Amino acid sequence: QQQVKQSPQSLIVQKGGIPIINCAYENTAFDYFPWYQQFPGKGPALLIAIRPDVSEKKEGRFTISFNKSAKQFSLHIMDSQPGDSATYFCAASKDTDKLIFGTGTRLQVFP
Amino acid sequence: KAGVTQTPRYLIKTRGQQVTLSCSPISGHRSVSWYQQTPGQGLQFLFEYFSETQRNKGNFPGRFSGRQFSNSRSEMNVSTLELGDSALYLCASSSLSGTVQETQYFGPGTRLLVL
Repeated sequence: QQQVKQSPQSLIVQKGGIPIINCAYENTAFDYFPWYQQFPGKGPALLIAIRPDVSEKKEGRFTISFNKSAKQFSLHIMDSQPGDSATYFCAASKDTDKLIFGTGTRLQVFP
Repeated sequence: KAGVTQTPRYLIKTRGQQVTLSCSPISGHRSVSWYQQTPGQGLQFLFEYFSETQRNKGNFPGRFSGRQFSNSRSEMNVSTLELGDSALYLCASSSLSGTVQETQYFGPGTRLLVL
């Protein structure tokens, strides 16, 4: 019940494409769903986060879609760029409890 | 503001040894969490300290321990190192007030190799 399942494991798109990364969770008590971006040799950095009271949140080219009934959330990257090539992690937590991370998606954006 | 700093950045140890890793959170942040990152298991939560008290703990053996000092700096210790402890150890800090989740800011990590 504590797991967060993330797919796909890897994703290759061309510049301008819209990669979509999906996550699913079991614990209905989770109330905070962040996405982190990690470049090689760096720690993860918060990209965008959502709470279950909204179904969508946009920040620049990044959008989270949240489906509470299906217990799923996804990250969409609009007009993807080669600089977006990184590993993306979804996560979930309840209150101030620990973050449970998905297994990560390695995204490659080719020119 | 300076970011989260971790020292050392790289470490090579042999089986059976012990190691201490250090983390300095962002100034004013009182919560420090530690994670282990490996290619096979991904990011796994080790423990979290808030105001010098361990508040959350992950599912790791007792060989993994930590502490937090009054200035919020934190250390984690791994005793009797095993080959499987080779990983990137990440520290994250947040200001954490009340029961609202705050953004966690990660350091660059300490890469530990156990031979």
